[in-house]
Amino acid sequence: SQQGEEDPQALSIQEGENATMNCSYKTSINNLQWYRQNSGRGLVHLILIRSNEREKHSGRLRVTLDTSKKSSSLLITASRAADTASYFCATDARTALIFGKGTTLSVSS
Amino acid sequence: DAGITQSPRHKVTETGTPVTLRCHQTENHRYMYWYRQDPGHGLRLIHYSYGVKDTDKGEVSDGYSVSRSKTEDFLLTLESATSSQTSVYFCAIMIQGETGELFFGEGSRLTVL
Repeated sequence: SQQGEEDPQALSIQEGENATMNCSYKTSINNLQWYRQNSGRGLVHLILIRSNEREKHSGRLRVTLDTSKKSSSLLITASRAADTASYFCATDARTALIFGKGTTLSVSS
Repeated sequence: DAGITQSPRHKVTETGTPVTLRCHQTENHRYMYWYRQDPGHGLRLIHYSYGVKDTDKGEVSDGYSVSRSKTEDFLLTLESATSSQTSVYFCAIMIQGETGELFFGEGSRLTVL
């Protein structure tokens, strides 16, 4: 069964707005990662947050992690049309990553 | 930079035929993975390899086998394809051993009629 579940399944916003996606998981983790997938392409790694970290930034991305609630959020600030994609959280399970079902983000100009 | 080539990128086949998908990496990363992606299910792990001739099953391994005779190649075989195996298949390599960060190929779209 899948470890992570993203919420919402789909999100539509206007350019310039912020986009927030959430991920909940079931078991303890060493780290949590976020990936992006453009339509018809492979997944691309965005950012990783370790279990002992609470917040991490990378450019317009901000990730938070709450291990007590087993949840993470990905915030994309000042969204652009080029941010339109699906976003997945992934948690480590032994020697493989387990992915959620993803959030589809649509940014309109 | 890590590089992955998946072949074929697109394939249409008939139920009951064997199919082999190939994943080739240009470096010597130890861990390689096969995932399938389906609407409503996200990515699900089929099999993975942690070295030459060392493989293990993932969440949805039934109906699939894998082989890794060389570090750079990881093959996924459907011995007798079924319509439920129509999917997009992604190969990935672990490029950061400490964190488990994966680098993905561009995918192989398989249609089983």
